Amino acid sequence: DTGVSQDPRHKITKRGQNVTFRCDPISEHNRLYWYRQTLGQGPEFLTYFQNEAQLEKSRLLSDRFSAERPKGSFSTLEIQRTEQGDSAMYLCASSLAGDRDYEQYFGPGTRLTVT
Amino acid sequence: GQNIDQPTEMTATEGAIVQINCTYQTSGFNGLFWYQQHAGEAPTFLSYNVLDGLEEKGRFSSFLSRSKGYSYLLLKELQMKDSASYLCAVSDSNYQLIWGAGTKLIIKP
Repeated sequence: DTGVSQDPRHKITKRGQNVTFRCDPISEHNRLYWYRQTLGQGPEFLTYFQNEAQLEKSRLLSDRFSAERPKGSFSTLEIQRTEQGDSAMYLCASSLAGDRDYEQYFGPGTRLTVT
Repeated sequence: GQNIDQPTEMTATEGAIVQINCTYQTSGFNGLFWYQQHAGEAPTFLSYNVLDGLEEKGRFSSFLSRSKGYSYLLLKELQMKDSASYLCAVSDSNYQLIWGAGTKLIIKP
């Protein structure tokens, strides 16, 4: 397994458009996290899944954001009606619940630019 | 509220030792993490502390004092490739990671 992958790596979109990002976690990992990171800041938690269940969603997250993990494997993050403030790096991470479930492995991220 | 504080930037010399401090106030505590992040790349896991004391892993060591809400990351024998941001993160009562803004470490020859 080559680790967590994300697609696309870069996305430029116009304000008001919808975008969807994909994350493929490490195959045996059952936990999947989405974060957002802006320049000079640490990652900001958005949501996380255990298997296909979405267990937690940030209270700061707008209703324009939605995430799915339909079969407990890959996940998608959709942003509707994008705004310039959505421009950021969107990071996905996965972990294995159990003895070392604290160790989250990050994907390379999707950099979103909203013009 | 929840808060993680770490210095914004530090500079050190190749071959030297540097200590990056982190203080935290969170609702609950289930461990403290240090991650390294090179510019434009994803964070990579460095260390995890849940009990007080020092954890050593090669050139990197991490220390935790839960009573003081304090941790540090110690980097020895600095190399140019250690130039990166170092992120402190705490797992709160819901096992969610609360992140600091990161410390940008600049290594000079």
